[in-house]
Amino acid sequence: GENVEQHPSTLSVQEGDSAVIKCTYSDSASNYFPWYKQELGKGPQLIIDIRSNVGEKKDQRIAVTLNKTAKHFSLHITETQPEDSAVYFCAATHGSGNTGKQIFGQGTTLQVKP
Amino acid sequence: EAEVAQSPRYKITEKSQAVAFWCDPISGHATLYWYRQILGQGPELLVQFQDESVVDDSQLPKDRFSAERLKGVDSTLKIQPAELGDSAMYLCASALQGAGTGELFFGEGSRLTVL
Repeated sequence: GENVEQHPSTLSVQEGDSAVIKCTYSDSASNYFPWYKQELGKGPQLIIDIRSNVGEKKDQRIAVTLNKTAKHFSLHITETQPEDSAVYFCAATHGSGNTGKQIFGQGTTLQVKP
Repeated sequence: EAEVAQSPRYKITEKSQAVAFWCDPISGHATLYWYRQILGQGPELLVQFQDESVVDDSQLPKDRFSAERLKGVDSTLKIQPAELGDSAMYLCASALQGAGTGELFFGEGSRLTVL
């Protein structure tokens, strides 16, 4: 089955700096890679996703890159703000469509210091 | 904005007792998932439904856990008897196209503490 590894487990940056979180996956058939943000006491919420036919996607201060050959993908947050502080999870799909499932990484706790 | 509803938000119980969690997915979402999230870890899939049918329950400890979605809408996850190691956040999620294709919408979770 699919296995997703996420690094680092914790990340502390100064406000305005960039943050990068990296994930690797094992199933070469995976074709959908979402990133979720989880704030304290809440469920994860999608912030950006990328599909296997795309190498990079950007949404304002957030970008995701995908290297299918190496089976890794990364989340990039630029100009970090205190409200970016949260736990971030990457995920990769196993299977497709309605029978597919998302396998999550272990999470990265991001702290943005004012 | 439509949301996934879960209850209770918090549950404290003693080991060997029975507990139940309820989830109401976003209207029109045929796929429903129960995840368990241990503190400091990522969500782990317990069971997956497509309408009222179980698609995958390979990670569900069936000696003590059960899940149902009788009418293909809301769902219940039950633990009987609860053990200390069951303390975790239980997250319900639903998807319009299925997790293999698109976004999962999560509820706020039910936090279980077993004493």
